Amino acid sequence: AQSVAQPEDQVNVAEGNPLTVKCTYSVSGNPYLFWYVQYPNRGLQFLLKYITGDNLVKGSYGFEAEFNKSQTSFHLKKPSALVSDSALYFCAVPGGATNKLIFGTGTLLAVQP
Amino acid sequence: GAVVSQHPSWVICKSGTSVKIECRSLDFQATTMFWYRQFPKQSLMLMATSNEGSKATYEQGVEKDKFLINHASLTLSTLTVTSAHPEDSSFYICSARAYYLYEQYFGPGTRLTVT
Repeated sequence: AQSVAQPEDQVNVAEGNPLTVKCTYSVSGNPYLFWYVQYPNRGLQFLLKYITGDNLVKGSYGFEAEFNKSQTSFHLKKPSALVSDSALYFCAVPGGATNKLIFGTGTLLAVQP
Repeated sequence: GAVVSQHPSWVICKSGTSVKIECRSLDFQATTMFWYRQFPKQSLMLMATSNEGSKATYEQGVEKDKFLINHASLTLSTLTVTSAHPEDSSFYICSARAYYLYEQYFGPGTRLTVT
């Protein structure tokens, strides 16, 4: 069965420093991978996806993610964190007959000024 | 990007009444819509998947007679919480997907409080 894991419940980083939010996956076949962000009391916003092609995927708000097949990882990164990046981040993979999204448990990113 | 709206954004109702939540895809045709429930500080729990013109597919443990889902058009799906009780209080989020995409686009969510 398709699954993703986010090993960190929370990541703390100082503003201006690089940030990484980790995600590992377990899928059969070619992996399709997604990152979403959720601000308080809001729905999820799509950040980026990996379908095929370059291992480094660029997305919204300056975020990027690196697909690593040997490590089965799809970590979300940003070179310089902003306080406004503080939010809940979800990694996801499609699965099941309807290709519903299977989410990780989420990682709370806290960026300190 | 694709935009999904949800209405209302919050609702308070009395126990025993029914509440309808609308989910609309504004700039694309959503062949599939999803309904999620989210508890505080938790991930999303998929309740059901609906395809336009078909009956919804409910996840295990979700009462289909309590959470009525209608996907009457390619741009509108509704979730009706029937005979609501305080334990139904939650944050309900819909998402929509076009047939040519794997990613889903989410609505802003509806906060339901049952008193």
